[in-house]
Amino acid sequence: DAKTTQPTSMDCAEGRAANLPCNHSTISGNEYVYWYRQIHSQGPQYIIHGLKNNETNEMASLIITEDRKSSTLILPHATLRDTAVYYCIVRRPFSNTGKLIFGQGTTLQVKP
Amino acid sequence: NAGVTQTPKFRVLKTGQSMTLLCAQDMNHEYMYWYRQDPGMGLRLIHYSVGEGTTAKGEVPDGYNVSRLKKQNFLLGLESAAPSQTSVYFCASNLQSTNSPLHFGNGTRLTVT
Repeated sequence: DAKTTQPTSMDCAEGRAANLPCNHSTISGNEYVYWYRQIHSQGPQYIIHGLKNNETNEMASLIITEDRKSSTLILPHATLRDTAVYYCIVRRPFSNTGKLIFGQGTTLQVKP
Repeated sequence: NAGVTQTPKFRVLKTGQSMTLLCAQDMNHEYMYWYRQDPGMGLRLIHYSVGEGTTAKGEVPDGYNVSRLKKQNFLLGLESAAPSQTSVYFCASNLQSTNSPLHFGNGTRLTVT
């Protein structure tokens, strides 16, 4: 599975959009981009995933560049409860051995 | 629908003691996983199971055993605990699907003295 690079930390004002970038320049054609987050002391929580089209659900939007070498997770109206570590993961389909490489992630601090 | 439930939430063991961590899911998921999380190390896969009665080793299986006697339960055992096994343990599960996201429990914090 391809490696990802994320900024170590980011701040965002409450109520504003939080845009979290992820670089995955070695991604291959059949690898999906997944985003999870981990709120302090809790288990990781699935947010969204996509292959090449932009995706949106009730939690967030995922924008994947045309060359698929990077993506951005967008939390449209960040709240204090969105303060967490956000992990960008690239994973092959049919790779269901659970070997998710979480890396260090981005610590997002939402400030009032 | 409780999702993935882990018991116990906290435990302190002395070196050499044994214990079993229980993971239960009520989502009828085929696949289940045990991870450990240590500061600066991310999540590392210990063992996993792709169905009732089957288990396989992950990245860091030494010192642990697992069993999946029922589809909804995945047990992680420490036969002789060591201080190096002090960690937070997370269980996860997902459907038998290539893109099915993982659902995680809230973890068991284990300290071995």
